[in-house]
Amino acid sequence: DIQMTQSPSSVSASVGDRVTITCRASQGISTWLAWYQQKPGKAPKLLIYAASTLQSGVPSRFSGSRSGTEFTLTINSLQPEDFATYFCQQANSIPYNFGQGTRVEIK
Amino acid sequence: QITLKESGPTLVKPTQTLTLTCTFSGFSFTSSGLGVAWIRQPPGKAPEWLALVYWDGLKRYSPSLQHRLTITPDLSKSQVILTVTNVDPVDTATYYCAHHSESDSSLDYWGPGTLVTVSS
Repeated sequence: DIQMTQSPSSVSASVGDRVTITCRASQGISTWLAWYQQKPGKAPKLLIYAASTLQSGVPSRFSGSRSGTEFTLTINSLQPEDFATYFCQQANSIPYNFGQGTRVEIK
Repeated sequence: QITLKESGPTLVKPTQTLTLTCTFSGFSFTSSGLGVAWIRQPPGKAPEWLALVYWDGLKRYSPSLQHRLTITPDLSKSQVILTVTNVDPVDTATYYCAHHSESDSSLDYWGPGTLVTVSS
């Protein structure tokens, strides 16, 4: 199985800040990576797929990038509605494992 | 508009078989490149990918749970059924079904989820 190591597990930030979340795959997955946002009591919502492609309707302040087996989700100018938990998921090989999640909290 | 919704028991006893139904609309399951996946999330933990059935009937399972899982499409009812045999309290989780796009393997539409508790 491919393991996804996500960091940090939590981050405190203020509205307007830039937040960066990292996910490292235990082996190469090309660009087969997605990012999801989850709010309490709700299902995850797809933000980015193929490592850097923004899902339709997702604000442009969200962006994704890849460097080898390391993937980054960046939120520019954090908005109140962005406080949530974020998960990465590899989509290269079964099982399509998720990272442990990063909780973005209000500072 | 693509929608999915999970249904099933909220409480099951250990060793029983759990049967969950995903009822979907807004897409044709026979369309090339589509699939429906099941994912679960224990309280306070990360999601865990369980199983996937493609438009052509191909099925994929998480290797660690494969011996306990069965995913079955029922195209006449626009449903995908997941059975989990011999449940244990560690199977307590919110179970989600999601629309799977084969082109990028993302889960682009999710149901609201259903919480299943395994307890005697």
